[in-house]
Amino acid sequence: AQRVTQPEKLLSVFKGAPVELKCNYSYSGSPELFWYVQYSRQRLQLLLRHISRESIKGFTADLNKGETSFHLKKPFAQEEDSAMYYCALRLNNNDMRFGAGTRLTVKP
Amino acid sequence: NAGVTQTPKFRVLKTGQSMTLLCAQDMNHEYMYWYRQDPGMGLRLIHYSVGEGTTAKGEVPDGYNVSRLKKQNFLLGLESAAPSQTSVYFCASSWDLVGELFFGEGSRLTVL
Repeated sequence: AQRVTQPEKLLSVFKGAPVELKCNYSYSGSPELFWYVQYSRQRLQLLLRHISRESIKGFTADLNKGETSFHLKKPFAQEEDSAMYYCALRLNNNDMRFGAGTRLTVKP
Repeated sequence: NAGVTQTPKFRVLKTGQSMTLLCAQDMNHEYMYWYRQDPGMGLRLIHYSVGEGTTAKGEVPDGYNVSRLKKQNFLLGLESAAPSQTSVYFCASSWDLVGELFFGEGSRLTVL
């Protein structure tokens, strides 16, 4: 079955601490993975995609095909990073499968 | 720019009633999508469209119909609403198959 699993519904860290939001996927094809973020009272928006290999707002994510993971990391969390984060997997038939999301809270 | 606009933002229906959610985008995107979001389940694709006049089923299409008569609009219809359709509905659009999804603000539907 094609699915995306985000094992943590809630994650809380202190400002300045490292943060890692976990994402695991199950897919027999070549995976195309994304992280989307929804800040309070804002729309869901793209944070980064694995194909770009970019760092956005200090976040990075590396695709590990062996472990079928695409964890999102930031070395020093900021209060403005508090948001809902969704990992997403694009399937060949245009369907984008989303994980259930992780709510990150960065405490001062 | 408005981006992706959904109307209405909130609606309460009785079981068996019908309604239509409207999604409008002003970015000239070819691809449009309707998702539903339920607690603990992430977003699930209901239907999508790869261009004007086309529609296709997603992961959870049952109980919904869609139409894309104009490129900028994508309508989601519930012919006979059921309590199981209580959800938050999101519309999205994109330039192409591999592009970023641009989302609307969501429409919260409650079916009593």
